[in-house]
Amino acid sequence: QQQVKQSPQSLIVQKGGISIINCAYENTAFDYFPWYQQFPGKGPALLIAIRPDVSEKKEGRFTISFNKSAKQFSLHIMDSQPGDSATYFCAARGGSYIPTFGRGTSLIVHP
Amino acid sequence: SAVISQKPSRDICQRGTSLTIQCQVDSQVTMMFWYRQQPGQSLTLIATANQGSEATYESGFVIDKFPISRPNLTFSTLTVSNMSPEDSSIYLCSVEDGLATETQYFGPGTRLLVL
Repeated sequence: QQQVKQSPQSLIVQKGGISIINCAYENTAFDYFPWYQQFPGKGPALLIAIRPDVSEKKEGRFTISFNKSAKQFSLHIMDSQPGDSATYFCAARGGSYIPTFGRGTSLIVHP
Repeated sequence: SAVISQKPSRDICQRGTSLTIQCQVDSQVTMMFWYRQQPGQSLTLIATANQGSEATYESGFVIDKFPISRPNLTFSTLTVSNMSPEDSSIYLCSVEDGLATETQYFGPGTRLLVL
């Protein structure tokens, strides 16, 4: 019930393309869904987050889509750039539950 | 946002020894956490470091193996005791933003290799 399932494990995209990473959760008590970006040798950094009262949140080229009924949320990176190459983690938290992270997606954007 | 530093950034240790990792935050924070990140794996919470009291450990982690100190609101240490090769991992310190309490900030991590 605490799991957050993330896919794909790895993703290769051409420059200018759209990168899509998906996550699914089970615990309906979760009410905060952040995405973290991690570059090699660095700690994860908050990229964008959403709450279940909205179905979409956009910040620049990054968009979270949220489907509450399906208990799924996804990260879309528009016009992907080589500098976006990193590992992306989704997470979910809420209530008294500790943050639960997905297994991560390694994104490579080819120039 | 909180700026977090960790020492050491990396280390190579012999099995059976112990390593203490330090985490320093540039502002006072209530919640500090220690995570483990194994290659290709998710971030796993080891424990919550509580100021003035014992740390709260997650299932699968015990105080004898991972003792934690939290002497004040800006500093914490994690010790990995009696190390084995299975302890080779990245150890991350994390804090919560006191204003936006669900925003977590992570340190750069300590890369540990146990031979």
